Amino acid sequence: KAGVTQTPRYLIKTRGQQVTLSCSPISGHRSVSWYQQTPGQGLQFLFEYFSETQRNKGNFPGRFSGRQFSNSRSEMNVSTLELGDSALYLCASSLAVSSSYNEQFFGPGTRLTVL
Amino acid sequence: AQTVTQSQPEMSVQEAETVTLSCTYDTSESDYYLFWYKQPPSRQMILVIRQEAYKQQNATENRFSVNFQKAAKSFSLKISDSQLGDAAMYFCAYSYDKIIFGKGTRLHILP
Repeated sequence: KAGVTQTPRYLIKTRGQQVTLSCSPISGHRSVSWYQQTPGQGLQFLFEYFSETQRNKGNFPGRFSGRQFSNSRSEMNVSTLELGDSALYLCASSLAVSSSYNEQFFGPGTRLTVL
Repeated sequence: AQTVTQSQPEMSVQEAETVTLSCTYDTSESDYYLFWYKQPPSRQMILVIRQEAYKQQNATENRFSVNFQKAAKSFSLKISDSQLGDAAMYFCAYSYDKIIFGKGTRLHILP
């Protein structure tokens, strides 16, 4: 069974631009979560989707948004990029409705650099 | 607010020895889940072990075991017979309605 895939793996943008990251969960998984990982802040929860509905959201500004499609694939969008948005963005999928108690399977991440 | 603290940013252990990684958390909830995730240098995170707060018995997965002290809000990970492949960043995580990760402990295995 293929794992969680994320595209692109690396991305370089400039301040003020917007970016869209994509995540394909493991086949059969309907829950997708997104995380931002930085050396200073560690891993921070962005949001979680299940069956195209956002179930939970972390404490990030409205510039960060996401969506999930009927095939469970998910995208996250960051508008008006800031230097501080440079990070590794991780996507994780889970079999159950909530990832709160279930094992999450992580993708390799997208390394975003904002210049 | 719930928080997760890993007080050891970095640790080293000799191959075949035992090492314990510390984790404390803060919560007012009684039913929750705790996890240890491992992130090797290749960056793909994987679950090491999971503990349900309502279970008193400590979880064990082969060479990995936890010491769960609910009253003390402590959840340490013990790795026995350390192997070179155990070298990674280890994250402790607490989950109730959403998951909160600690800042991680980088574990080095010395040959």
